[in-house]
Amino acid sequence: DAGVIQSPRHEVTEMGQEVTLRCKPISGHNSLFWYRQTMMRGLELLIYFNNNVPIDDSGMPEDRFSAKMPNASFSTLKIQPSEPRDSAVYFCASSLGQGAQDYGYTFGSGTRLTVV
Amino acid sequence: GQSLEQPSEVTAVEGAIVQINCTYQTSGFYGLSWYQQHDGGAPTFLSYNALDGLEETGRFSSFLSRSDSYGYLLLQELQMKDSASYFCAVVLSWGKFQFGAGTQVVVTP
Repeated sequence: DAGVIQSPRHEVTEMGQEVTLRCKPISGHNSLFWYRQTMMRGLELLIYFNNNVPIDDSGMPEDRFSAKMPNASFSTLKIQPSEPRDSAVYFCASSLGQGAQDYGYTFGSGTRLTVV
Repeated sequence: GQSLEQPSEVTAVEGAIVQINCTYQTSGFYGLSWYQQHDGGAPTFLSYNALDGLEETGRFSSFLSRSDSYGYLLLQELQMKDSASYFCAVVLSWGKFQFGAGTQVVVTP
């Protein structure tokens, strides 16, 4: 299995631009999570989906952030408009059902976003 | 509310044993999990404790005591490749984790 695939690996954009991050979970995993990691705030859960349905988006910082999961093999996280404080590493993770507890998430390699 | 505390850095020599403590303040949770992250890499799952006690997986062991609001990760026979950040995480509800700030483990020759 190729694991959780995220693209792009690196993104540099100007403030005010729209940014779209992409994620392909492990085939067969039915739960998908978006995390953000910064030095100041550590790893923060933004949103998670189960069977393509958003379950909890309480971690989404504000309306500029949106996430979709149109099918079991693809999810996007969009920031519009982007701001310098959005600079972080964004991780996508997937798990099988309740497996997040017992077997853990499988994280992708992350997207390093820099907003200038 | 919830908060987790773990030391920011631990340094040890190859072959040594390191214990990373994690104390938490949370009103109800499912269990405690540990993740490893190398610089520039993705976090990887190490262990999960649903019940009090010790879980052993090779050189790594994890412990949980709910009555003491405390857990730890034990790294034995340290190797250079164990240099990484280690995060504890409480499982607040299905699928929802809260991560600690991480402990940087530095292994020296």
